[in-house]
Amino acid sequence: QKEVEQNSGPLSVPEGAIASLNCTYSDRGSQSFFWYRQYSGKSPELIMFIYSNGDKEDGRFTAQLNKASQYVSLLIRDSQPSDSATYLCAVTSLTSNTGNQFYFGTGTSLTVIP
Amino acid sequence: DGGITQSPKYLFRKEGQNVTLSCEQNLNHDAMYWYRQDPGQGLRLIYYSQIVNDFQKGDIAEGYSVSREKKESFPLTVTSAQKNPTAFYLCASSGLGARGYGYTFGSGTRLTVV
Repeated sequence: QKEVEQNSGPLSVPEGAIASLNCTYSDRGSQSFFWYRQYSGKSPELIMFIYSNGDKEDGRFTAQLNKASQYVSLLIRDSQPSDSATYLCAVTSLTSNTGNQFYFGTGTSLTVIP
Repeated sequence: DGGITQSPKYLFRKEGQNVTLSCEQNLNHDAMYWYRQDPGQGLRLIYYSQIVNDFQKGDIAEGYSVSREKKESFPLTVTSAQKNPTAFYLCASSGLGARGYGYTFGSGTRLTVV
């Protein structure tokens, strides 16, 4: 069973602070890593993806990947109340019969306090 | 605009009744997926399809059925054999490739048993 683990939170940070969200995965063959944001009652939306070790920055978001430690994180700088949502980590492992199947963590609930 | 459309947004099912959830995409994506999300839980894969006229069971396929007669369409039927169908159902699609592509999600269908 391929597993993706996230701290369910809730994580609370003050407005303007850095929010740090963490994710570990069990399958060393995992190749692609994604972060989705899901507002209450809505569907997930893709905010970041990363394939290679290191950091990838996009605006206020930075994804960090460490394949040796099987660890991926998402940093949100200058957190805003609109960032309050559940963040889902997703990992893909390509096999011959499951193709592009994703494995999702249970999500971390983030609250940004004004 | 390209996207993925789920309908209806809300659905009520009586005991013993089969219901069908619609999912249509115009992104020219090869792969389509159905997930179920329960409150406070992650996404669980019901069925997926990588090509027309072919689909595979996910982790919780019992009580569900699908078809993939057209590339654009992947309807999900919740049968009376599914004893606890109340949940948020999400359809997703993606391209196929060596590294994997992020999913695009529909807006979801909230199913309630009455």
